[in-house]
Amino acid sequence: GAGVSQSPRYKVAKRGQDVALRCDPISGHVSLFWYQQALGQGPEFLTYFQNEAQLDKSGLPSDRFFAERPEGSVSTLKIQRTQQEDSAVYLCASSSIRVGYGYTFGSGTRLTVV
Amino acid sequence: QKEVEQNSGPLSVPEGAIASLNCTYSDRGSQSFFWYRQYSGKSPELIMSIYSNGDKEDGRFTAQLNKASQYVSLLIRDSQPSDSATYLCAPQPNTNAGKSTFGDGTTLTVKP
Repeated sequence: GAGVSQSPRYKVAKRGQDVALRCDPISGHVSLFWYQQALGQGPEFLTYFQNEAQLDKSGLPSDRFFAERPEGSVSTLKIQRTQQEDSAVYLCASSSIRVGYGYTFGSGTRLTVV
Repeated sequence: QKEVEQNSGPLSVPEGAIASLNCTYSDRGSQSFFWYRQYSGKSPELIMSIYSNGDKEDGRFTAQLNKASQYVSLLIRDSQPSDSATYLCAPQPNTNAGKSTFGDGTTLTVKP
């Protein structure tokens, strides 16, 4: 597609519920990143894929967070047993594989855990 | 100490003035440097990239990089109200598996 597409745009989850956030990157972008952004702060790195390989998941805050990109295109970030501290905007970004390219971000998913 | 430090602001300048945004970073392995603009309620948008020491100009925007001082800045000339946003500095290592580390951003307000 022309841009990075994320869905849903907004998600309200009850504490303890599982959620799945979807990201469809720019066609041809092999690098895909997930970031978490709290209000008033910069994006915090969660995980990184190059094609289907998850090269870095050092930013995932707990084992309740899981990400996959099985066919090297669409990615899903799953959060199990959501907690209130998980409330944030989750940003997906894609990039050319060429080193030194910046990111194109999706519109984000605003997750609110009640 | 955070990996990327930016003055949180808010920075307020009158329309037509020069806005100066500063960023310092701790990772000497950083090779690429990006500035993103984020309007309230929107996602970040890439506006400038710089890779070599010195200045890089693009329209009203000039990025300045000093790797020895681990310092990068963004100057906005002839500031417009539409420039009012949060500006995020994001260094990136020059590796195949590099990820950008973002600062918390500087919020700029341009007053008409």
